[in-house]
Amino acid sequence: DGGITQSPKYLFRKEGQNVTLSCEQNLNHDAMYWYRQDPGQGLRLIYYSQIVNDFQKGDIAEGYSVSREKKESFPLTVTSAQKNPTAFYLCASTGTALRTEAFFGQGTRLTVV
Amino acid sequence: RKEVEQDPGPFNVPEGATVAFNCTYSNSASQSFFWYRQDCRKEPKLLMSVYSSGNEDGRFTAQLNRASQYISLLIRDSKLSDSATYLCVVNMGGSSNTGKLIFGQGTTLQVKP
Repeated sequence: DGGITQSPKYLFRKEGQNVTLSCEQNLNHDAMYWYRQDPGQGLRLIYYSQIVNDFQKGDIAEGYSVSREKKESFPLTVTSAQKNPTAFYLCASTGTALRTEAFFGQGTRLTVV
Repeated sequence: RKEVEQDPGPFNVPEGATVAFNCTYSNSASQSFFWYRQDCRKEPKLLMSVYSSGNEDGRFTAQLNRASQYISLLIRDSKLSDSATYLCVVNMGGSSNTGKLIFGQGTTLQVKP
């Protein structure tokens, strides 16, 4: 079955550590997105990529980095520069036409300990 | 001004009520619009796409008003199971074939017996 997979589902990070969240899709989608969601809040865009080897900053990119070396993969690194990383992280992808909906992974819940 | 704005609610309604949510967007070049439903601690799931003048799916009706730059979601005969957060999503479009997906902050609906 085609879909989008995020891993791990739960992640614990010590302060000062970098961690990388995985996002893989087999939908042949060009565009991929990373969002952050805090309790009781909406989704805020961190980074997005419309094509391989290219990506753009979203509204809250500081303290995060991404890469897009393959169409299927869009990993997100939460660096030590991100001062408040505890949140729910969602990865999404969309097809080539504008009028296609986003498909989501199940999310990664990151906690700083 | 936020790119996509929703009234966060919460909307508390009795079973059987009709409830309507609105969402405004800032970019007049936006090409496509969606309503997603998100249950607590889960990823968002597509509820409806809104492509032209609107569409209906059972008890749910979505409308688009391009002149005033807003979309709406109407839920008739509310069920307890409709309790969730409803997210407005706008594809901002762009020079390439896919655009930046921006989410509203979500509107919380609580249907009570």
